[in-house]
Amino acid sequence: EAQVTQNPRYLITVTGKKLTVTCSQNMNHEYMSWYRQDPGLGLRQIYYSMNVEVTDKGDVPEGYKVSRKEKRNFPLILESPSPNQTSLYFCATHKDAWGEQYFGPGTRLTVT
Amino acid sequence: QQQVKQSPQSLIVQKGGISIINCAYENTAFDYFPWYQQFPGKGPALLIAIRPDVSEKKEGRFTISFNKSAKQFSLHIMDSQPGDSATYFCAASYNNNDMRFGAGTRLTVKP
Repeated sequence: EAQVTQNPRYLITVTGKKLTVTCSQNMNHEYMSWYRQDPGLGLRQIYYSMNVEVTDKGDVPEGYKVSRKEKRNFPLILESPSPNQTSLYFCATHKDAWGEQYFGPGTRLTVT
Repeated sequence: QQQVKQSPQSLIVQKGGISIINCAYENTAFDYFPWYQQFPGKGPALLIAIRPDVSEKKEGRFTISFNKSAKQFSLHIMDSQPGDSATYFCAASYNNNDMRFGAGTRLTVKP
């Protein structure tokens, strides 16, 4: 079954404590992205990757890092989380420039 | 600022009616315009998408109308059903990367 998995699904943490949200896909897609969803703002793209070792900034990259060392994984790293990063995060993947984006189930992050 | 503006924020429609959601974009380089449907607790799922070389695309009860000169596109849901109750997002991108989403429309279809 084609899947995008994210872990953890829920996370409560404190300001400044580094965290990583993992994303994995089994569809052998080249493209992967991270989004955050906030009420009244829709989804905003944080980073995207067009291939292994190729990443680029999206709309709101400040405070986030990503890496793409292998095709199936695209972790999102918050080196020093702050309360304004409290949000619902989605990982997504698509095959190519014309392909459908498949979203993961989401990770709800709360930073206190 | 939001590069894709979506309206209305919320919409209530009677079963069998037509739901219409509108979006406007600014960047003329955008070449891919998808609509996503999201149910509570789930990730968005692609509903229908259009490229700017066509003015309309229909899939079942869902139709996208696209006006390139006005930089506007809209989603029409015909014969709306209670199961269509969800949040709908329009989006725009160049080459399916750097995707910009609208703020979303919460649709409620009353039985």
